Amino acid sequence: AQSVTQLGSHVSVSEGALVLLRCNYSSSVPPYLFWYVQYPNQGLQLLLKYTTGATLVKGINGFEAEFKKSETSFHLTKPSAHMSDAAEYFCAVSVNDMRFGAGTRLTVKP
Amino acid sequence: DVKVTQSSRYLVKRTGEKVFLECVQDMDHENMFWYRQDPGLGLRLIYFSYDVKMKEKGDIPEGYSVSREKKERFSLILESASTNQTSMYLCASSPLQGTGELFFGEGSRLTVL
Repeated sequence: AQSVTQLGSHVSVSEGALVLLRCNYSSSVPPYLFWYVQYPNQGLQLLLKYTTGATLVKGINGFEAEFKKSETSFHLTKPSAHMSDAAEYFCAVSVNDMRFGAGTRLTVKP
Repeated sequence: DVKVTQSSRYLVKRTGEKVFLECVQDMDHENMFWYRQDPGLGLRLIYFSYDVKMKEKGDIPEGYSVSREKKERFSLILESASTNQTSMYLCASSPLQGTGELFFGEGSRLTVL
């Protein structure tokens, strides 16, 4: 079955700094890849997804991710962090069903 | 917009009680899922369903059962709640054909005393 590893359970950045959240996946077939965000006491919202085609995917709120097949990675980036980006972020891989990573909690310092 | 509604946001139950968590989606999606979310473990798949009256076990089905009598409704049942089932439970749905994107409910936080 497919699986996801998120490197770093907590990431802290200063407001205006680059955000980089790391995700590596394992799958025997070409997967669909996703990043979701969860704000406190809420469900998960889709940030962006990779299905086929262009490997650089742009999502909501200025986030983007690049699918690198050779590295089996799908890292999430944002050039300039905002206080409102503080949340938990989940990487997920989907073949027949969706499997999630353990999550990365992003803290943004003023 | 897709709406996935979980009937209870917060529940407190006692050990041994039977617990029902209800989930309803309004977009005619074929697929429905129940996940459990715990700190440091992410989301773990409990059960999923591709069609009415159909169910498949996920990674952690022990202690749980599900029911899907109607396409829009997917219920998670804890036959005899235990303290280690204290958790956040998330329901999701997706269309059968597509990219596999899931649409989530707000979650049900269950505390078992």
